[in-house]
Amino acid sequence: EIVLTQSPGTLSLSPGERATLSCRASQTVISNYLAWYQQKPGQSPRLLIYGASSGAAGIPDRFSGSGSGTEFTLTISRLEPEDFAVYYCQQYGTSPTFGQGTKVEIK
Amino acid sequence: EVQLLESGGVLVQPGGSLRLSCAASGLTFGNYGMCWVRQAPGRGLEWVSSISGGGELTYYADSVKGRVTVSRDNSRNTLYLQMNSLRAEDTAVYYCAKIGVTGKWFFDYWGRGTLVTVSS
Repeated sequence: EIVLTQSPGTLSLSPGERATLSCRASQTVISNYLAWYQQKPGQSPRLLIYGASSGAAGIPDRFSGSGSGTEFTLTISRLEPEDFAVYYCQQYGTSPTFGQGTKVEIK
Repeated sequence: EVQLLESGGVLVQPGGSLRLSCAASGLTFGNYGMCWVRQAPGRGLEWVSSISGGGELTYYADSVKGRVTVSRDNSRNTLYLQMNSLRAEDTAVYYCAKIGVTGKWFFDYWGRGTLVTVSS
């Protein structure tokens, strides 16, 4: 099983700032099959990024993904009020696994 | 618009059984693989099971293998999860989700979830 470790656990930022979230895999993620999701309290997850860097339909372009192998990053270029949420990475190169999440909170 | 609506979550005693359903609309259901993902209270996401579009291929997480069966009825646009020998650690919100692309198990549409509570 591939273990995904997200850092930091919590990110405290102000609207308008840049957010950089990290996801590290215990083994190489096959074909960079890495996705990112956003989850707000009481809601289901929403797909943001797949294939490490491809934006899902309807996702604002302030969200971008990068990385390969075992190191991946989700960047939110300028935080909007609606972006404060928990973010999960997920690999699907093998049996799917998720990271433990990074909470982006208002500073 | 793709919509997924789960149902069947209840309070059940340890060792009990239940069946979850997920009604799909807004897509050609049989063309897509589907899955179940769960989230224990205050915890992260855990993939549970997947099934191919035609229903012939099924996959399970080790944590539920042998206790859970995924199935689908494409004539009814409905996904199911039969859960047996339930344990306290199965307590979670269970989401059904659509697999984005065949063979690439990212999940592009999610239901709102149904809560399963296993407790005496």
